[in-house]
Amino acid sequence: DSGVTQTPKHLITATGQRVTLRCSPRSGDLSVYWYQQSLDQGLQFLIQYYNGEERAKGNILERFSAQQFPDLHSELNLSSLELGDSALYFCASSTLSGGRPGNEQFFGPGTRLTVL
Amino acid sequence: LAKTTQPISMDSYEGQEVNITCSHNNIATNDYITWYQQFPSQGPRFIIQGYKTKVTNEVASLFIPADRKSSTLSLPRVSLSDTAVYYCLVERADKLIFGTGTRLQVFP
Repeated sequence: DSGVTQTPKHLITATGQRVTLRCSPRSGDLSVYWYQQSLDQGLQFLIQYYNGEERAKGNILERFSAQQFPDLHSELNLSSLELGDSALYFCASSTLSGGRPGNEQFFGPGTRLTVL
Repeated sequence: LAKTTQPISMDSYEGQEVNITCSHNNIATNDYITWYQQFPSQGPRFIIQGYKTKVTNEVASLFIPADRKSSTLSLPRVSLSDTAVYYCLVERADKLIFGTGTRLQVFP
């Protein structure tokens, strides 16, 4: 158990809909990262927040957005969903802001999103 | 940021040493290299991190040559439980790029 929690575990929805994925980082971790992993594909970095502020941005679509709240939990919002958005979405947390020695990321169990 | 590539798959037998290489030709001065292990339907798990030369911990070693354009994860005496996908990550403060992943299959 990494200490990172993600809800829901599974999510099934229809094209055009909007969903929100939630992540609670490990106690004390200030950084939260979001990743997308399609079936049999690698990890695609989406976005990172550090202590409430956006710190790094990857291949995140304009239909997707995220935020980190004062209590440090984070939400990833996916809108106008398409079939291709079906994937595992991972959240990870770390103590540091990224790109620094010792910045180990702890990954949650993921949310499996299925768009029908 | 550096584009990272890895072999798609590797096979090994129990007890052998396995070396997985990641190529990151455009790595920058401030980039760090980290390796993660992922089992099916689970989140990746940290293995080791380095900047240059050699780093060793209780489960693996990481070799980074002077030009830092590649890195090699070394797993000593693998077991069946090491069957997984291994990813390298090149990151700096504002960018992260995971490698394509190497699927390691360990046979008895």
